[in-house]
Amino acid sequence: GESVGLHLPTLSVQEGDNSIINCAYSNSASDYFIWYKQESGKGPQFIIDIRSNMDKRQGQRVTVLLNKTVKHLSLQIAATQPGDSAVYFCAETVENAGNMLTFGGGTRLMVKP
Amino acid sequence: DAGVIQSPRHEVTEMGQEVTLRCKPISGHDYLFWYRQTMMRGLELLIYFNNNVPIDDSGMPEDRFSAKMPNASFSTLKIQPSEPRDSAVYFCASSKQGGYGYTFGSGTRLTVV
Repeated sequence: GESVGLHLPTLSVQEGDNSIINCAYSNSASDYFIWYKQESGKGPQFIIDIRSNMDKRQGQRVTVLLNKTVKHLSLQIAATQPGDSAVYFCAETVENAGNMLTFGGGTRLMVKP
Repeated sequence: DAGVIQSPRHEVTEMGQEVTLRCKPISGHDYLFWYRQTMMRGLELLIYFNNNVPIDDSGMPEDRFSAKMPNASFSTLKIQPSEPRDSAVYFCASSKQGGYGYTFGSGTRLTVV
């Protein structure tokens, strides 16, 4: 896992706006990526995943974009709601090479009513 | 499926005491992971198992930490003797071969006083 200091990057958005959370990953060999949401007092919860043969994947109100050229991942949340307030982590792995996930440092999303 | 089940949810113990954390992975998952989360260091992988066999324990901080997986449905993480710096949230996660369904438990919040 990666380290995160006391000061997580924070994104503050107005309820109803769209949110974009970014993540730079480290391993050019990584071929499977996951976004997790962690609410206070809970474990990280799976939101959406994407494999390296895709550059975009959509879920319900969420979209993940993958740019392998610059090793960048983003999570877009449409019509952000108060319940979306949490810390969001990206994770990367090389499938079929041990299943170990490497986590990014996390971004705190705060939704203002 | 009840998901990954961890117990206890909270543990407060005195320095020097033995602590045992428990995890029941999702049925059918081949991999089990133990993570530690702190404000300073984020999510750290301690150890992981594949088919009940420890594969990589390089993240285990020191000899005071040990983990076992006697069967496919149960794992323990033991700290003996515990120290205040072990205070953290400990997560267990499980996944299938290939990284599918990587799921975290709710965590055990350990406080060593």
